[in-house]
Amino acid sequence: GAGVSQSPRYKVAKRGQDVALRCDPISGHVSLFWYQQALGQGPEFLTYFQNEAQLDKSGLPSDRFFAERPEGSVSTLKIQRTQQEDSAVYLCASSLAPASSYNEQFFGPGTRLTVL
Amino acid sequence: GQQLNQSPQSMFIQEGEDVSMNCTSSSIFNTWLWYKQEPGEGPVLLIALYKAGELTSNGRLTAQFGITRKDSFLNISASIPSDVGIYFCAGAVGNTPLVFGKGTRLSVIA
Repeated sequence: GAGVSQSPRYKVAKRGQDVALRCDPISGHVSLFWYQQALGQGPEFLTYFQNEAQLDKSGLPSDRFFAERPEGSVSTLKIQRTQQEDSAVYLCASSLAPASSYNEQFFGPGTRLTVL
Repeated sequence: GQQLNQSPQSMFIQEGEDVSMNCTSSSIFNTWLWYKQEPGEGPVLLIALYKAGELTSNGRLTAQFGITRKDSFLNISASIPSDVGIYFCAGAVGNTPLVFGKGTRLSVIA
């Protein structure tokens, strides 16, 4: 497919479980972003990768959140010991060029995480 | 941190009517973006604005980058049922992360 894909599309976790969310960016896109979108809100930035380097993780809400992109393509967002407040849609976006200035970000469909 | 205020929060309009929504910021952006999000999907870029005062159209959509660089508006002319969705504004300054508004939910009554 030509777009950004994310899996799973839906995830239900019991409080305290660890989860891993996957993002497949558009092939060749250098930049990759993770956002968290709570119900009724706009997306909020979590972290940014340029190739395999995590250049900005200022938006990660706690040390339970961890993201990686080891080979500069697929990325995984991991949440440890999930809490109810982690329930949200997690969006991944990629763009062709480094984020030295704005470049169009293409979003995936998101993973809806529900923590019971 | 930077905040974007988007209004109105929601709109119910008749098919064929024009729509206007806007976004204001407490600080300056050098890029303004308008996205549309439909249920179960990620946001899709509609219009990108790069210069203060810029007025850009994309079909029935028109957006403007405010002169003060602290606001932007989006107009949709002659609305149709497929315009239904949530419209988000977003701002960017250089390589800092995008900041999104809370969205305007648009409903079109046929």
